Amino acid sequence: GAGVSQTPSNKVTEKGKYVELRCDPISGHTALYWYRQSLGQGPEFLIYFQGTGAADDSGLPNDRFFAVRPEGSVSTLKIQRTERGDSAVYLCASSLNSAGARGELFFGEGSRLTVL
Amino acid sequence: AQKVTQAQTEISVVEKEDVTLDCVYETRDTTYYLFWYKQPPSGELVFLIRRNSFDEQNEISGRYSWNFQKSTSSFNFTITASQVVDSAVYFCALSGSNYQLIWGAGTKLIIKP
Repeated sequence: GAGVSQTPSNKVTEKGKYVELRCDPISGHTALYWYRQSLGQGPEFLIYFQGTGAADDSGLPNDRFFAVRPEGSVSTLKIQRTERGDSAVYLCASSLNSAGARGELFFGEGSRLTVL
Repeated sequence: AQKVTQAQTEISVVEKEDVTLDCVYETRDTTYYLFWYKQPPSGELVFLIRRNSFDEQNEISGRYSWNFQKSTSSFNFTITASQVVDSAVYFCALSGSNYQLIWGAGTKLIIKP
């Protein structure tokens, strides 16, 4: 596609449920990032993929969070046993090369997760 | 530790006024990159500019200009002759040796017609 696509745009779930958020990056972009943004704050780094592998997952808050990118394109962020504190907008970004976050990142519009 | 501070939570000006958004950063890295991103109401962050730590030249792009000063660890952003379409949240960010982007809390800019 022309830009980074994220689905769903909105997700409401109940505490304790499992959630998957999908990101389809710009075609040809090897680097993919997940960020989390709470209201009134800047994005918070979660995980960075270079190709299929997670190059840096130090931002994942705990073991309830997991992300995959099996074919080096689409990525899925998985959250188990959701908690109310997980409510946020989850942003995905991609970039052309392996320069980490030193190059221009292209962001999707985010997936807004609300845990009731 | 790395940190980005955007002290202005919200700025409101009347259209056609000039406005400066402040950004102060902290890092121990000698090589680093600074960024500004715009987040309109749609939520999609849009890249505006990147500067590396070895290039202190100011940059101008149309009505936008950036002033990078290592002596004060600042990377300020000025919009000249502001327009209503400039209304958005603007984020300053820093990338150092660990390649992660560290973001400020953002400044909400409101341009009134």
